[in-house]
Amino acid sequence: GNSVTQMEGPVTLSEEAFLTINCTYTATGYPSLFWYVQYPGEGLQLLLKATKADDKGSNKGFEATYRKETTSFHLEKGSVQVSDSAVYFCALRKGTSGTYKYIFGTGTRLKVLA
Amino acid sequence: GAVVSQHPSRVICKSGTSVKIECRSLDFQATTMFWYRQFPKKSLMLMATSNEGSKATYEQGVEKDKFLINHASLTLSTLTVTSAHPEDSSFYICSASPGQGGGFATNEKLFFGSGTQLSVL
Repeated sequence: GNSVTQMEGPVTLSEEAFLTINCTYTATGYPSLFWYVQYPGEGLQLLLKATKADDKGSNKGFEATYRKETTSFHLEKGSVQVSDSAVYFCALRKGTSGTYKYIFGTGTRLKVLA
Repeated sequence: GAVVSQHPSRVICKSGTSVKIECRSLDFQATTMFWYRQFPKKSLMLMATSNEGSKATYEQGVEKDKFLINHASLTLSTLTVTSAHPEDSSFYICSASPGQGGGFATNEKLFFGSGTQLSVL
């Protein structure tokens, strides 16, 4: 079946450190891949996405590349800030318009220290 | 961006009582709403998909008589946990997808509520 596996947290980094949060997926066909972020007290928000192999999604300094050969979509940022502290969810989307389903990973909590 | 409001954010109830959670799309019409449940250190699990004006579609293993979902209007869906038990304690999250009128293909984009932490004593 379809599934998403992401690294367990929490991940604790100092400000300006390099961030990687690993995400791998299992799916038939070619799903679209997403990273969502949840700040304290708020709902999940779309951070970035990629819809086909080798696509790179990017937003707010975060990047992730859709790697079909390794079925991965790792999230990276070159220099994290305290304001990046949040929970990050990797997700895949299957189906067609009107029948999409999203499958999420467990979420990884990131804590950035000043 | 589009806003989804979910209430309450936290609820504590006694075993055997029912709890209603509301999910509202504030600035768009949501033809489809999704309800998820999350256990500690586990994935967001899709419970059901509800389309306005029709019965919800439940995922395998989700008891439809226990988790009543109503999507009576294009801006409101409710999840009622009936006869709650301690094992129903969990974090529940709704999400909503704009319809064709919003300029997006159905279910193309998801907007999430902030979640409800349910604790059943």
